[in-house]
Amino acid sequence: GAVVSQHPSRVICKSGTSVKIECRSLDFQATTMFWYRQFPKKSLMLMATSNEGSKATYEQGVEKDKFLINHASLTLSTLTVTSAHPEDSSFYICSADAVAQETQYFGPGTRLLVL
Amino acid sequence: SQQGEEDPQALSIQEGENATMNCSYKTSINNLQWYRQNSGRGLVHLILIRSNEREKHSGRLRVTLDTSKKSSSLLITASRAADTASYFCAPNNQGGKLIFGQGTELSVKP
Repeated sequence: GAVVSQHPSRVICKSGTSVKIECRSLDFQATTMFWYRQFPKKSLMLMATSNEGSKATYEQGVEKDKFLINHASLTLSTLTVTSAHPEDSSFYICSADAVAQETQYFGPGTRLLVL
Repeated sequence: SQQGEEDPQALSIQEGENATMNCSYKTSINNLQWYRQNSGRGLVHLILIRSNEREKHSGRLRVTLDTSKKSSSLLITASRAADTASYFCAPNNQGGKLIFGQGTELSVKP
């Protein structure tokens, strides 16, 4: 299967700072990527759809000014958690849409801890 | 997009036994995908079955699809401790975003 990477794999930051998470499709191009968050023992919650060259589409209840998404190239999408607070601590996972294979490939996730 | 609902929520079996997980969905689909998630990791794509297919195999995995009942099943044969993970189904009716249910948490005891 195709490979999607995320960086960093884990990050600890102080409350009030911003954190950027990168999602890269390593061996295919993805015009669409997706960002999810997952709480312990819970399912993945879709946050937003990242579209290359255009604005991201956010799911209901997700603050777009809080979670900034940029998809500047066909292999990279970034999620920036702005002014992070302890309640933003979570596991963030991205996926890239591999249209040719009719499926999405997921990154390994980024664990964010806000102190 | 639509959410798949997995059943059971949790399944505990002994190594060597078969594990069956079920998925139900509500509207028509183009395909349905199964993913596995090990604790603290991302999702791994296991298998995709299209709406015009009834059964598909991949190694020890067997997936069935019944579009009339809007259901799918994932069978893992001769399970191993390494199969311990959460399993999610993702019905896909128009491409694009996937909505995940709670998954089935499989525990395979050695």
